[in-house]
Amino acid sequence: LAKTTQPISMDSYEGQEVNITCSHNNIATNDYITWYQQFPSQGPRFIIQGYKTKVTNEVASLFIPADRKSSTLSLPRVSLSDTAVYYCLVGWNTGNQFYFGTGTSLTVIP
Amino acid sequence: DSGVTQTPKHLITATGQRVTLRCSPRSGDLSVYWYQQSLDQGLQFLIQYYNGEERAKGNILERFSAQQFPDLHSELNLSSLELGDSALYFCASSELTSRSYNEQFFGPGTRLTVL
Repeated sequence: LAKTTQPISMDSYEGQEVNITCSHNNIATNDYITWYQQFPSQGPRFIIQGYKTKVTNEVASLFIPADRKSSTLSLPRVSLSDTAVYYCLVGWNTGNQFYFGTGTSLTVIP
Repeated sequence: DSGVTQTPKHLITATGQRVTLRCSPRSGDLSVYWYQQSLDQGLQFLIQYYNGEERAKGNILERFSAQQFPDLHSELNLSSLELGDSALYFCASSELTSRSYNEQFFGPGTRLTVL
């Protein structure tokens, strides 16, 4: 199973760029990497997904090195409203894509 | 608003009872997923249905069951409730499981309290 490892928590000041790295050493050839954001008492919300290299959308960037054994979610210029738990999921149609793990609790400080 | 609706929002019941949680997926989504989130266990995948058929099973207890109806709404049945079943239950939906990505849209959740 392509289990993931993320830091349990991170702190950042408002306006800084935040990078959250996820390790997934056992990633399979067909696996995609997906990141979700969750606020307290709300359901997770899809942020970004990628397979290799770099993916960017209006809220984040996802960097995936050639060996795909890790990935980095980059949040540019975070604000207080970005305080949330961020989950990295790896898998596609294998069941692994449902493994949310413990996530990374990001606290943005004014 | 994700487009996924769940009812009820809150549910308080006693040990040993049975409850039914309901989920309506986004329009057009064929897949429905159920998750349980408690303080000490994090977000746990329970089960997935695709167009009425069970597609994947996670850590779902035998006391729990689910189904997806022809109109694609889904129900999660929890029976012989125990104190430890108190949690937030989320439903999510997505388009097709065979797509190259699997973006799930989560509902607001049902908070179950077992006394």
